[in-house]
Amino acid sequence: DIVMTQSPLSLPVTPGEPASISCRSSQSLLHSNGYNYLDWYVLKPGQSPQLLIYLGSNRASGVPDRFSGSGSGTDFTLQISRVEAEDVGIYYCMQTLNTPRAFGPGTRVDIK
Amino acid sequence: QVQLRESGPGLVKPSGTLTLTCAVSGESIRSGNWWSWVRQSPEKGLEWIGEINDSGTFNYNPSLKSRVTISVETSNNQFFLKLSSVTAADTAVYYCATNSYCARSGCYGTYQYYYMDVWGKGTTVTVSS
Repeated sequence: DIVMTQSPLSLPVTPGEPASISCRSSQSLLHSNGYNYLDWYVLKPGQSPQLLIYLGSNRASGVPDRFSGSGSGTDFTLQISRVEAEDVGIYYCMQTLNTPRAFGPGTRVDIK
Repeated sequence: QVQLRESGPGLVKPSGTLTLTCAVSGESIRSGNWWSWVRQSPEKGLEWIGEINDSGTFNYNPSLKSRVTISVETSNNQFFLKLSSVTAADTAVYYCATNSYCARSGCYGTYQYYYMDVWGKGTTVTVSS
């Protein structure tokens, strides 16, 4: 099974400043079709999970352009160029290359 | 535009069976797509439970495999989750989710996508006597 790790697990941020979350997989997530099967989600209090980035670097519909995803193979990064107060939540990476699909442990982002 | 809505009992007794329904609207469940269940608890975060396609092919989380059954009812455009022998550790918010692109266009072969951009609102299930 593919195991996902994230760092840091807790990230206090200052509004207006950038933030970055790292995600690593125990096996390459690069599919033969050229896509990395790695997605990013955020879970905000009282809401359903929201897809932010799919297939490694594609921003989902309606997601602000301050969010970006990068990486390939086993190492991926979610970057927020300028954090806003509404970005508070728990951020998860998830691999969907193989079954069982798997989420990372989550990174809790809150305001300093 | 595909929409999902979970329903089921909010309280289940220990050792009982949890049964949830996800009603699909806006697209046919027979669309060459995968339909998923995910749960969220403070202890475990987001946890993938399993998925099924319209052909009835399924994949489960091995940690739940002996207790979980996911099925689909194409006639009523819905799919189900059954989790048996529940304990307090199964207390969570349960979500159904899917991929809107594949729901609309169908996804086959090497271009199947499993990212979940459409989620239900979730239903809270508490396991308690």
